[in-house]
Amino acid sequence: QKEVEQDPGPLSVPEGAIVSLNCTYSNSAFQYFMWYRQYSRKGPELLMYTYSSGNKEDGRFTAQVDKSSKYISLFIRDSQPSDSATYLCATLNRDDKIIFGKGTRLHILP
Amino acid sequence: DTGVSQDPRHKITKRGQNVTFRCDPISEHNRLYWYRQTLGQGPEFLTYFQNEAQLEKSRLLSDRFSAERPKGSFSTLEIQRTEQGDSAMYLCASSRPANTGELFFGEGSRLTVL
Repeated sequence: QKEVEQDPGPLSVPEGAIVSLNCTYSNSAFQYFMWYRQYSRKGPELLMYTYSSGNKEDGRFTAQVDKSSKYISLFIRDSQPSDSATYLCATLNRDDKIIFGKGTRLHILP
Repeated sequence: DTGVSQDPRHKITKRGQNVTFRCDPISEHNRLYWYRQTLGQGPEFLTYFQNEAQLEKSRLLSDRFSAERPKGSFSTLEIQRTEQGDSAMYLCASSRPANTGELFFGEGSRLTVL
């Protein structure tokens, strides 16, 4: 089993919709969870960062961690065409390495 | 610009040639990572440094790959005898001393092996 699993999409939603992006992880000991956004032909940039469980909100973005189900989510409210990108979930594993999911390609349709 | 910088941004080479990529991290960051990313995949860990010490190297990294970080500042990633399967984006990232997963990535160096 991979340490982080993510549906690659693509996911297309109309502008203004709420977007839900999800990942699962394998080890209940993982504590640090991240969401990165990557535009085409660019390096990833850190979007949201959470420690342990619960929610974290930043503007239109909410990151959620459910440790009981080993599930992490990113919600985007009032989605904009500029949100079109690949979203990568990541976690810090026991070997002190940051491991990424495959990424979900998101298209916001004007 | 105080972000992570990588050079060159794009390298086209013929199979069998050697290539070297350079990464300049954010100055106060002591950790430096190299990742490889192919189309449709997430970044794949290659190796990382804490200061000048290379702490881990992925089993995926063949002995044709070598990375250095002299004096704990910039880093180089060299690929010897390139193969077509080496074509990918090579990403460098740096982080603060406390490893919490907050990586700051450069724009990447895209390698095309013909």
